[in-house]
Amino acid sequence: KAGVTQTPRYLIKTRGQQVTLSCSPISGHRSVSWYQQTPGQGLQFLFEYFSETQRNKGNFPGRFSGRQFSNSRSEMNVSTLELGDSALYLCASTPGGTGGYEQYFGPGTRLTVT
Amino acid sequence: QKEVEQNSGPLSVPEGAIASLNCTYSDRVSQSFFWYRQYSGKSPELIMSIYSNGDKEDGRFTAQLNKASQYVSLLIRDSQPSDSATYLCAVISYNNNDMRFGAGTRLTVKP
Repeated sequence: KAGVTQTPRYLIKTRGQQVTLSCSPISGHRSVSWYQQTPGQGLQFLFEYFSETQRNKGNFPGRFSGRQFSNSRSEMNVSTLELGDSALYLCASTPGGTGGYEQYFGPGTRLTVT
Repeated sequence: QKEVEQNSGPLSVPEGAIASLNCTYSDRVSQSFFWYRQYSGKSPELIMSIYSNGDKEDGRFTAQLNKASQYVSLLIRDSQPSDSATYLCAVISYNNNDMRFGAGTRLTVKP
């Protein structure tokens, strides 16, 4: 099976812009979670989607949003970018339901805000 | 108190030794526990999952869970230089389905 894919892999944006990141989960996986990873804060949970519904949300401002499509692909959007949003954004997929809780990570999108 | 705590390290062991990585968690209703390995510049890779008290072995790796003590550990036997990475402990609670990560322990295996 192909793994989790994320696009783009690298992105440079300026403050105030918005950005959309994409994630395609492992085939058959219905749950997608998003994380932000920075050297200072470690891995922080953003949100989780299952069957197109947001099930959980971490402690991030409303500028961070996401959605999931019927094919389980997911996107996250960050509006009005700030310098502090520079991070590695990771997507992870899980079978969901009774399929297990193990999360498998994609390669990540490295976002730099200047 | 952080939800998931790990010694940040760095932990340094000689090649061939046993590396012991520890993790404690605060939520008593935690149900699922995971160890991930992350090489520098790469994304986390799942090594082990453990759901029940006791030991679970997979090759050179053994995960140990003690729910009464709210403690989970990872032992790496016959450590190799290629095991040098940051090891992340992760926990899922009954109260929510999101996975909470520790800050990670950096392991260095010296030849």
